[in-house]
Amino acid sequence: QVQLVESGGGVVQPGGSLRLSCAASGFTFSSYGMHWVRQAPGRGLEWVAFIRYDGSNKYYTDSVKGRFTISRDNSKNTLYLQMNSLRAEDTAVYYCAKDYEAYCGGDCYSWVDCWGQGTLVTVSS
Amino acid sequence: AIQLTQSPSSLSASVGDRVTITCRASQAISSALAWYQQKPGKPPKLLIYDASSLESGVPSRFSGSGSGTDFTLTISSLQPEDFATYYCQQFNSYPQTFGQGTKLEIK
Repeated sequence: QVQLVESGGGVVQPGGSLRLSCAASGFTFSSYGMHWVRQAPGRGLEWVAFIRYDGSNKYYTDSVKGRFTISRDNSKNTLYLQMNSLRAEDTAVYYCAKDYEAYCGGDCYSWVDCWGQGTLVTVSS
Repeated sequence: AIQLTQSPSSLSASVGDRVTITCRASQAISSALAWYQQKPGKPPKLLIYDASSLESGVPSRFSGSGSGTDFTLTISSLQPEDFATYYCQQFNSYPQTFGQGTKLEIK
């Protein structure tokens, strides 16, 4: 079955950097787009970023553009989120999530069908 | 970005009740809407996709409807395990966005 295991969370000072990883198994990772979604403590879900199955296109929510970079290594079945210039408002559980549609590119849009357990990022001095 | 507004934000109901949650989009999104259930300390779980298609393994008491800007999630007869928070999400365009959530509590 699909398994998504996030790692790399922790406590970081404002202005600092952190890289999250998501190890995927149980499906053909290189065929599917992947998302990062976050949830601040006691708050709702916020979509953060998406990368197409082949890495050709990347999309971000406005609040992280220019600070966060989503990437993937299909040879290692791993998704990444490089987070720079971190702010207190970036404090959240970060979920790695799989897109439903295989080989979704161009004008294809699809939904999240599987989620990891999440990793907590705390930005605090 | 497309805004999604859920109503109500919270809801108290009893086992056996029929419950409806509404999600309104700030612009038309065709049927590009999904519904998720989240319990405390757990990741979300997909319930409905394409506005009205039931995810495999999800009980048939869950149903979704709507298109364009107005959508609903209905639970026909609440069970104890249904008390959770529910989110809608649009995937019509990037950035994808979620509604603010509806917390369903036991009356």
